[in-house]
Amino acid sequence: KAGVTQTPRYLIKTRGQQVTLSCSPISGHRSVSWYQQTPGQGLQFLFEYFSETQRNKGNFPGRFSGRQFSNSRSEMNVSTLELGDSALYLCASSLGGARSYEQYFGPGTRLTVT
Amino acid sequence: QQPVQSPQAVILREGEDAVINCSSSKALYSVHWYRQKHGEAPVFLMILLKGGEQKGHEKISASFNEKKQQSSLYLTASQLSYSGTYFCGTGPQTGANNLFFGTGTRLTVIP
Repeated sequence: KAGVTQTPRYLIKTRGQQVTLSCSPISGHRSVSWYQQTPGQGLQFLFEYFSETQRNKGNFPGRFSGRQFSNSRSEMNVSTLELGDSALYLCASSLGGARSYEQYFGPGTRLTVT
Repeated sequence: QQPVQSPQAVILREGEDAVINCSSSKALYSVHWYRQKHGEAPVFLMILLKGGEQKGHEKISASFNEKKQQSSLYLTASQLSYSGTYFCGTGPQTGANNLFFGTGTRLTVIP
């Protein structure tokens, strides 16, 4: 079956702009989580959506937001971009049930803020 | 909340063994292990749950010490394909996917 897809794969933005990243989970998966990966901080959890509702949220400012659609596709938005937002943004999908542990990661979107 | 991994990097020759450790300052309910090869997405290796349950689909073993709030990943008879960065993530008991990952251990296996 098709894996997790993320678009776009690469993005260059200017400070102050906003950006929207998209994630299409594996068919049948209802949970989508977003992570930020940087060399210094590693993988940091942003938020998780399950059945169109935000189920968990990490310690990121309100400039980072997301949503999930009825087909489980998810979008992440970052407003007022800062240089420190440059990172690889990964989304991961899973079935989302109480005993669903394995997450399948997408290839990521590499965001560069100049 | 970020777990601490050790060592930060290790180089092995094919066939050698390695242990990667993950420790947390908070109580552990579940420990998830992922491997990320350069330029690729992280791939699930194993999960260990409080109470002893384990689930994985690779020939890799791990331990989970609830009292010490630690987990260790054991790589035996390493192969070149084992090279990559290994991340441990700590999470809740249930299947919610809000994991706090360590900064990773870079493993390099050489011929």
